[in-house]
Parts: sequence; C-alpha cells; structure tokens
Amino acid sequence: SQTIHQWPATLVQPVGSPLSLECTVEGTSNPNLYWYRQAAGRGLQLLFYSVGIGQISSEVPQNLSASRPQDRQFILSSKKLLLSDSGFYLCACAFRGTGQRTFEQYFGPGTRLTVT
Amino acid sequence: EDQVTQSPEALRLQEGESSSLNCSYTVSGLRGLFWYRQDPGKGPEFLFTLYSAGEEKEKERLKATLTKKESFLHITAPKPEDSATYLCAVQASIGNTGKLIFGQGTTLQVKP
Repeated sequence: SQTIHQWPATLVQPVGSPLSLECTVEGTSNPNLYWYRQAAGRGLQLLFYSVGIGQISSEVPQNLSASRPQDRQFILSSKKLLLSDSGFYLCACAFRGTGQRTFEQYFGPGTRLTVT
Repeated sequence: EDQVTQSPEALRLQEGESSSLNCSYTVSGLRGLFWYRQDPGKGPEFLFTLYSAGEEKEKERLKATLTKKESFLHITAPKPEDSATYLCAVQASIGNTGKLIFGQGTTLQVKP
C-alpha cells in the first residue's frame, strides 16, 4: 500500500519569506498528485494537481507554485509568503487500483503553516 | 457548477445514539462519491467510495448509501472514538485527473 510523507510537520515563517513544502510517495508508481489547503474549520481547497513529471495544473490564482521533479515527489513553493497563506497543507496521491472504477485519493499527514 | 453540501455542520450525540450525516451534491456526471474521516491536526483518512445510486458500503459502525442527489453516512451505536470530522467529496465523470470537490464537513462529537 502507498505511504505519503510530508515535511515539515509544522512551520512558522515571517511574511515575505520563501516557502518550500515537500511531499514524497512510497508504494506506487506514476500516481496523480495533489496539493490542498485547509483553512481552520473549513473544507479542502485544491491548489495544484499533477498527472506526471513536470506536468502541473493550477486550480486557483495565488502566491504559490508547485513542481514535480520526480515521479513520486511533489513540492509546493512560494517566493514571498503572505499572511493569507497560513493554513494546513495536505498532499494527496491518487491511483486506480485493480478492479477500481476510478482514482481513489489518499492523504498525507499535512503541514501546519503559520505566517507571522 | 459542481457542488457538495454537507449537513449538519456539527452533530453531538450520546454514546449509542444512532444518527445520519447528509451529503448533497450536484455534478455534471458522477464518477464516484467518497467519504473521509479527519481527526484534528491530521490528514483525511479514506473510508468509502460509492459509484452508483443504490450502492451501500459498510465498515464497523459506519454505513454509506448513495442516491442520485445525495449520500448518507449512517452511524450506528456510535462510540466516543467515532468523534471526528467527516468529509464528503465527488469526482466528476468529465476528465481523467481524479480531482475531487469537497464539502465543508460535519464535525461529530460523541459523548460517553
């Protein structure tokens, strides 16, 4: 079965500083990968998704960017953080298993980002 | 526009008091409906996938059902450890990216 790693687990950064969050996946190859942000007490907002190395699609205009340098590595970045970038960031991977009719998404443990 | 609405926002139950959570959806062709459980400060945990109206799936005290407009998550004789936020999401049949549209979640608290 797949395992999703995210680091760091928590991060406190000042406004205007850069950001790099990393997500790696074990146990599967060629997965679809996703970055979500979850504000306190709210649902998940899809930020980026990737269906392959170097292929990134953005869902909302924002201060963030994503990259996928390897098949099982997904990175979320920013050059200058804003206060509004604070939140809980989740990485997910999806694949279609044998006999499954569609992709099922599985989530990592998340990164809590506080911008001060 | 594809949309998912969950109700109630919060639910407090006594241990053993059965109830249901609702997930209403509008989507341009349903490829799948998904239920997740999320504990505070953790990533969502996959529970079920439902594909077509009339389908049901069970796991311990949880049972998920699906109609053409909504899904229910039935919780039978809940225990305090069932306390969590339950998220519902849909995947549209258009495209093959596996993207999900999430509802806002229902926060369940089960008191002993």
